[in-house]
Amino acid sequence: AQSVAQPEDQVNVAEGNPLTVKCTYSVSGNPYLFWYVQYPNRGLQFLLKYITGDNLVKGSYGFEAEFNKSQTSFHLKKPSALVSDSALYFCAVRDRSFQKLVFGTGTRLLVSP
Amino acid sequence: EAQVTQNPRYLITVTGKKLTVTCSQNMNHEYMSWYRQDPGLGLRQIYYSMNVEVTDKGDVPEGYKVSRKEKRNFPLILESPSPNQTSLYFCASSLVYPTDTQYFGPGTRLTVL
Repeated sequence: AQSVAQPEDQVNVAEGNPLTVKCTYSVSGNPYLFWYVQYPNRGLQFLLKYITGDNLVKGSYGFEAEFNKSQTSFHLKKPSALVSDSALYFCAVRDRSFQKLVFGTGTRLLVSP
Repeated sequence: EAQVTQNPRYLITVTGKKLTVTCSQNMNHEYMSWYRQDPGLGLRQIYYSMNVEVTDKGDVPEGYKVSRKEKRNFPLILESPSPNQTSLYFCASSLVYPTDTQYFGPGTRLTVL
């Protein structure tokens, strides 16, 4: 079955430093990979997705993600973190049925001033 | 404004008392879905609907029902709620497929006593 793993429950980073939120995947066939963000007391918002093409995907709010097929990873990155980036981040993969997404358990990002 | 709305936002109820959580989208989306979010488990899909004619179970459908009588609405029904259904619930919609950008509602926090 298609699945994603987010190995870190929480990531702490100082404002201005680069951030990375990790995601690894397990799929059969071509992966469709996604990142969503959940700010406090809000629903999830789409950040970016990889379907095909360039391995570096740029998304909203200055975020980007790098698709690495050999390492089966899709890590979310940002060159310079902001306090306002503090949120819960979810990685997701398309299910084999093409009819749903499978989400990871989420990683809480805390950016300190 | 394009949005997904859910009602109620907060609900405290007792075991066995039937309830309905409404979900409505104004974007003419075909695909709609219900998720529940629990600490440490991430987002898990309850039911989804590809269009008004196709509705199917997600990963955790037990104890839930849905209906899709019209494109814009996708209510979640708990016929006989139990304490293990205490959770945060999200409705989402996307244009055609789940791999299209999904737009999430603000969430419904349900407590079953």
